[in-house]
Amino acid sequence: DSGVTQTPKHLITATGQRVTLRCSPRSGDLSVYWYQQSLDQGLQFLIQYYNGEERAKGNILERFSAQQFPDLHSELNLSSLELGDSALYFCASSPQGGSYEKLFFGSGTQLSVL
Amino acid sequence: AQSVTQPDIHITVSEGASLELRCNYSYGATPYLFWYVQSPGQGLQLLLKYFSGDTLVQGIKGFEAEFKRSQSSFNLRKPSVHWSDAAEYFCAVVESGGSYIPTFGRGTSLIVHP
Repeated sequence: DSGVTQTPKHLITATGQRVTLRCSPRSGDLSVYWYQQSLDQGLQFLIQYYNGEERAKGNILERFSAQQFPDLHSELNLSSLELGDSALYFCASSPQGGSYEKLFFGSGTQLSVL
Repeated sequence: AQSVTQPDIHITVSEGASLELRCNYSYGATPYLFWYVQSPGQGLQLLLKYFSGDTLVQGIKGFEAEFKRSQSSFNLRKPSVHWSDAAEYFCAVVESGGSYIPTFGRGTSLIVHP
């Protein structure tokens, strides 16, 4: 158990809908990362937050947004969903802002857009 | 931009045989290098990492990896594979002095035959 909790584990929705994925980092970790894993793109970095502030942004679509709350949990919001958004979404955390340390990954949220 | 190449999508070995998974990176300076393992239905777990110093690093579960600057490679090895090693293996690179966001390879799926 990595200590990172993601909910829900599975999500099935329709095109055009909006969903929210939730992540609770390990106790004390300040940094949260979101990754998207798909068969055609592999593991793609979306966005990082550190202690409530956006730290780095990757290949995140404008339809997607995220935030980190004062209790350090994070949410990834996906809107106007398309079939191609179907993927496994991972959250990871680390103690500091730099990932020269190891990342601790949650078990992911499997999103299926029908 | 940095990139990571894992040339083998699938590798099949017999239980007890040795294993080598290949990883090549494209980056001017020496990056920070990582290997992660993803078991079915689980998040990624760090096997080992290289920052500097001894180019042969030991990790968990009997894995080791060797950094070869001249070949821009960081190959993962294990002398004797167990059936429980069947999983997806990811090489990752962090650009030192950059955003410190890991870039992951596409992964290599390890299949272990009894």
